[in-house]
Amino acid sequence: AAGVIQSPRHLIKEKRETATLKCYPIPRHDTVYWYQQGPGQDPQFLISFYEKMQSDKGSIPDRFSAQQFSDYHSELNMSSLELGDSALYFCASSLASVGEQYFGPGTRLTVT
Amino acid sequence: KQEVTQIPAALSVPEGENLVLNCSFTDSAIYNLQWFRQDPGKGLTSLLLIQSSQREQTSGRLNASLDKSSGRSTLYIAASQPGDSATYLCAVRAPGAGSYQLTFGKGTKLSVIP
Repeated sequence: AAGVIQSPRHLIKEKRETATLKCYPIPRHDTVYWYQQGPGQDPQFLISFYEKMQSDKGSIPDRFSAQQFSDYHSELNMSSLELGDSALYFCASSLASVGEQYFGPGTRLTVT
Repeated sequence: KQEVTQIPAALSVPEGENLVLNCSFTDSAIYNLQWFRQDPGKGLTSLLLIQSSQREQTSGRLNASLDKSSGRSTLYIAASQPGDSATYLCAVRAPGAGSYQLTFGKGTKLSVIP
């Protein structure tokens, strides 16, 4: 069965640079979520999109933005990167009516 | 604000034992509860989803129960195997503001000793 695809899997950036993370949800899933997991931490919700519209917003810094495109893939854009942004970034997708969230393998971002 | 607590934080058992992982949440008004497995540095694998109207779900050697009124869920693993070693996370989805997000516990790190 198709799973959530994230790219890139690993990313190394320097402070103050920008990064773009991509997510391709499971086909026919209408909701995409982004989570951030710092070292030794539980995942923290950032933002979600339902049918290409922002549906919920969590602890996402103003330096970050995201969108969902017409083909349902989503991108998380991160600017003015800080050392504290180093983390695993997960994308998940679901059918909103069912709610079970399926997670991608994550993008490991390292800011140096 | 919904808070999720998992006890114990770590657990070590010999292979073949049955074990129970605990999860509690502060607000009983939830849509559903999910149990995940996470291997070090890897993604989250969904194990079981329990809707708020359900009392339990089973998948193979796994059984999850939900007592919404008391704000508790348990994950029962039968006949544990070394391959079960991982961190197990519990997460809830609640109505109202933030209804799309999952709120996670900090997980229970399970080690199954051969």
